[in-house]
Amino acid sequence: EVQLVESGGGLVQPGGSLRLSCAASGFTFSRYDMHWVRQVTGKGLEWVAAIGTGGDTYYPDSVKGRFTISRDNAKNSLYLQMNSLRAGDTAVYYCARDRLTSDWHPWFDPWGQGTLVTVSS
Amino acid sequence: DIQMTQSPSSVSASVGDRVTITCRASQGISSYLDWYQQKPGKAPKLLIYAASSLQSGVPLRFSGSGSGTDFTLTISSLQPEDFATYYCQQANSFPFTFGPGTKVDIK
Repeated sequence: EVQLVESGGGLVQPGGSLRLSCAASGFTFSRYDMHWVRQVTGKGLEWVAAIGTGGDTYYPDSVKGRFTISRDNAKNSLYLQMNSLRAGDTAVYYCARDRLTSDWHPWFDPWGQGTLVTVSS
Repeated sequence: DIQMTQSPSSVSASVGDRVTITCRASQGISSYLDWYQQKPGKAPKLLIYAASSLQSGVPLRFSGSGSGTDFTLTISSLQPEDFATYYCQQANSFPFTFGPGTKVDIK
């Protein structure tokens, strides 16, 4: 069974840092591009970061320079390092697998269960 | 960035009703449009990819159509398990963006 399990969420003060992890199983992790998507409670979805099989990375302007996506294929794990956190970053963060050979025309399937990040003093 | 809009923002419907949700992109995105279903407290689930392809395991009552800037998701006969929020997402170019969602609830 293909599965993604996020961890690492929690309460952090504004300006602080947090590292999220996503453990993948049930598929050949190294062959897939991977993404992070977030959702403010009760609100819509926002794509946050992507990493290709070759390690190329992409971000929207809202997090560029503050967030870093990375992967460890040996550990079947995806990461999101979040620095200079703001109240507006408070959200549930999901990791999601892209389709095989998407050429950056992705669809996200499956998604993990999400991990809540709360930025507050 | 490509802006995505959806209409209606919410719809009340009965079991057995036909429901159509519209998604519009601020610029042409070919057929790079996906649809997701999300139930409260759960992660989104892929329903339709590339505008009209049904994801494996998704019931045939779901269908998608469109290209360019205008897209639709249709539920041909609403079932109790279909009450949820539906999001479209453009996969044409970075940054990938989602519509604001359409909530389908019980009439």
